[in-house]
Amino acid sequence: RKEVEQDPGPFNVPEGATVAFNCTYSNSASQSFFWYRQDCRKEPKLLMSVYSSGNEDGRFTAQLNRASQYISLLIRDSKLSDSATYLCVVNMRGYSSASKIIFGSGTRLSIRP
Amino acid sequence: DTGVSQNPRHKITKRGQNVTFRCDPISEHNRLYWYRQTLGQGPEFLTYFQNEAQLEKSRLLSDRFSAERPKGSFSTLEIQRTEQGDSAMYLCASSREADEQYFGPGTRLTVT
Repeated sequence: RKEVEQDPGPFNVPEGATVAFNCTYSNSASQSFFWYRQDCRKEPKLLMSVYSSGNEDGRFTAQLNRASQYISLLIRDSKLSDSATYLCVVNMRGYSSASKIIFGSGTRLSIRP
Repeated sequence: DTGVSQNPRHKITKRGQNVTFRCDPISEHNRLYWYRQTLGQGPEFLTYFQNEAQLEKSRLLSDRFSAERPKGSFSTLEIQRTEQGDSAMYLCASSREADEQYFGPGTRLTVT
């Protein structure tokens, strides 16, 4: 089992739709969580951190479920410009307390007019 | 531009040659990370510096790979005796004490 797993997609949804992705992680000691977006042949860009209480930034909502070990990203009123790959990132602290930062393989989203 | 910069952006080299990449982080960031990314995969963690100290190295970082950050500012990643399997995008990221990382545009390496 991969340490961080994402549905690769692609998710193909119409403009204006609501779409949600999940990301599961294997290490219950994981301490911090993020969503990044990556456009084709570009670097990942931080979309949002994921806090225990959940957080919202405009049309984007991120949630953390520690009991079930997953994080989610919800995009409301999707725009054509939301088409990208969404990467889930989990920072798992090892026994040495060194960071172990794991990226998921990403979920591809395509918004159609 | 005060973001993370990387040079060169593209590198084509023959198998067996050595290559060196440079990363200049955001100036007030004390943490610097190197990743490798291949098509269809997320970035894979290679190594991490806090200031000039290299705190962690992935098992992916074989003996042919070495990274330095001599003054706690820019960093270099060297690959010796390149192999075709080293072809990938090499990404650098930096952050402050928190873990929110900001990535540079990457160096795309092609080994022929």
